[in-house]
Amino acid sequence: EAGVAQSPRYKIIEKRQSVAFWCNPISGHATLYWYQQILGQGPKLLIQFQNNGVVDDSQLPKDRFSAERLKGVDSTLKIQPAKLEDSAVYLCASSPVGRTSSYEQYFGPGTRLTVT
Amino acid sequence: RKEVEQDPGPFNVPEGATVAFNCTYSNSASQSFFWYRQDCRKEPKLLMSVYSSGNEDGRFTAQLNRASQYISLLIRDSKLSDSATYLCVVNTGGYNKLIFGAGTRLAVHP
Repeated sequence: EAGVAQSPRYKIIEKRQSVAFWCNPISGHATLYWYQQILGQGPKLLIQFQNNGVVDDSQLPKDRFSAERLKGVDSTLKIQPAKLEDSAVYLCASSPVGRTSSYEQYFGPGTRLTVT
Repeated sequence: RKEVEQDPGPFNVPEGATVAFNCTYSNSASQSFFWYRQDCRKEPKLLMSVYSSGNEDGRFTAQLNRASQYISLLIRDSKLSDSATYLCVVNTGGYNKLIFGAGTRLAVHP
């Protein structure tokens, strides 16, 4: 079974530029998550989709971050404009279902973003 | 106060040692609990779930104390390949939302 795919794996941009990340979850997984992991910290949830609807975006900095999952499959996360503090690994994860019960989340390899 | 707190370590132990990690969580309504493992520059992967009755998977034993809001992971007979960061993770309910601790780093040496 193919895992969660993410691209690009690495990205270096200057502050105030924009950047986009792509994620393709495991086939059949209804729930997709975007996390930000800053060096030395655990992953922090930015946004969670169930199918193509947002169920939690409480920690997404909406003035600069946006995400979409238009057809309920793959997803893009965008940062515009980027700040130095956005330097982090952006992890995408998916799970079969998100409601109440606890399902294992499968993570992609992440995109390592450096903002200079 | 952080929602999930862990000792960052590092724990430096020789092969064959027994090592224990602890974690505390602040939300008493938390419903389920996990340990994830993250190798250097890799993605997190589920190591094991944590149940109130305690559970064991080979050399790994996890325990939960709901009254004290405390989770533990015990690794027996440490191997070089156990070197990684161990993330304590709490599901606060709702839509399978996971809260991660900052992780405890383990280094096993020959």
